[in-house]
Amino acid sequence: GIQVEQSPPDLILQEGANSTLRCNFSDSVNNLQWFHQNPWGQLINLFYIPSGTKQNGRLSATTVATERYSLLYISSSQTTDSGVYFCAVSGNNRLAFGKGNQVVVIP
Amino acid sequence: DTGVSQDPRHKITKRGQNVTFRCDPISEHNRLYWYRQTLGQGPEFLTYFQNEAQLEKSRLLSDRFSAERPKGSFSTLEIQRTEQGDSAMYLCASSGVGYTFGSGTRLTVV
Repeated sequence: GIQVEQSPPDLILQEGANSTLRCNFSDSVNNLQWFHQNPWGQLINLFYIPSGTKQNGRLSATTVATERYSLLYISSSQTTDSGVYFCAVSGNNRLAFGKGNQVVVIP
Repeated sequence: DTGVSQDPRHKITKRGQNVTFRCDPISEHNRLYWYRQTLGQGPEFLTYFQNEAQLEKSRLLSDRFSAERPKGSFSTLEIQRTEQGDSAMYLCASSGVGYTFGSGTRLTVV
């Protein structure tokens, strides 16, 4: 199956700082999503982005499908951005997840 | 559209007991997925349905696990003779454009 690697695994940010999370995947995909998992375990969809660039408020994402990577940008981070960010991809019928980026934003 | 609903949110059971979880997908989505997530890991695929047909099962889905989607609407996941290693978050998702996940059922086997 498709392998998904996320980096960095852990990130500590000062409130107000910017950061970039990276997702590399091993094969061509037709779906790529970024999720934020809240402390209660819910996976919140941030972006559906198999290719191109999207922005939503302080978050933006870029996927370069031909080079098999995606980036998630967090600007002006807030404490509410803390949590685990997952990249998930599919090339067939199901999503494969990376191990996540654990982000802690300190005030 | 009320999203994907899962019930119960939490379940504590004794080893050896059977448990059943329910998932109600987004009504217009015909694909439904079950995933399992353990601490510090990303969700792992268990099985998926297209309408009422179960089309793929992971090797993680041992013979103690069974999933159904009898009328192509809600789905149930049953675990028989639970073991401590079954303790995990069980997530359900449905897909249209992209996947939408429910809040999950956190299972603790004591």
